[in-house]
Amino acid sequence: DTAVSQTPKYLVTQMGNDKSIKCEQNLGHDTMYWYKQDSKKFLKIMFSYNNKELIINETVPNRFSPKSPDKAHLNLHINSLELGDSAVYFCASSPRDSLGEQYFGPGTRLTVT
Amino acid sequence: GNSVTQMEGPVTLSEEAFLTINCTYTATGYPSLFWYVQYPGEGLQLLLKATKADDKGSNKGFEATYRKETTSFHLEKGSVQVSDSAVYFCALSERAGNQFYFGTGTSLTVIP
Repeated sequence: DTAVSQTPKYLVTQMGNDKSIKCEQNLGHDTMYWYKQDSKKFLKIMFSYNNKELIINETVPNRFSPKSPDKAHLNLHINSLELGDSAVYFCASSPRDSLGEQYFGPGTRLTVT
Repeated sequence: GNSVTQMEGPVTLSEEAFLTINCTYTATGYPSLFWYVQYPGEGLQLLLKATKADDKGSNKGFEATYRKETTSFHLEKGSVQVSDSAVYFCALSERAGNQFYFGTGTSLTVIP
């Protein structure tokens, strides 16, 4: 069983389009995250949700909007895609009081042309 | 503020060589420290962790000791294998606030 899953694995789209990436975790964790990893492998946190409530929202453009329909899902919707949005996006989750241990999904490679 | 600094890569070693990847941190409180590993085409996986000063985390032959006096958490392995080729991330988490801070990652390539 996959602990943290993301779909799709690859996403190629044109500038200006709107797209969504889905994330699901079956670990029963309370907190979920979205990270962006650039071509140099630099990892930047974008959002963090705890029990469907936003607790961290780093300085990302408001074209990015997370949606958490329930504790097990955290989807990422991106409007008006730009070339600079090309990256690998990782979803992660962690249990309450985990002291920092996170479980990552396999990533979604987004290419904007 | 909190931050993590790790040595820049890429690092290339021959099989069975000794590995050290340096990591230092800045924290306002009492953080937990982690090493994560990312194999090609995959997400990050927790490699080891230490939650308080002088703790040693270990896994798969890798070790790191939480040194409060030098604010360091260097990753070491006595004899690397080709299968250890990956990107390694040092990370910090404060107990309060659930905030995470990752280093920039160090790419390791082990050649036969």
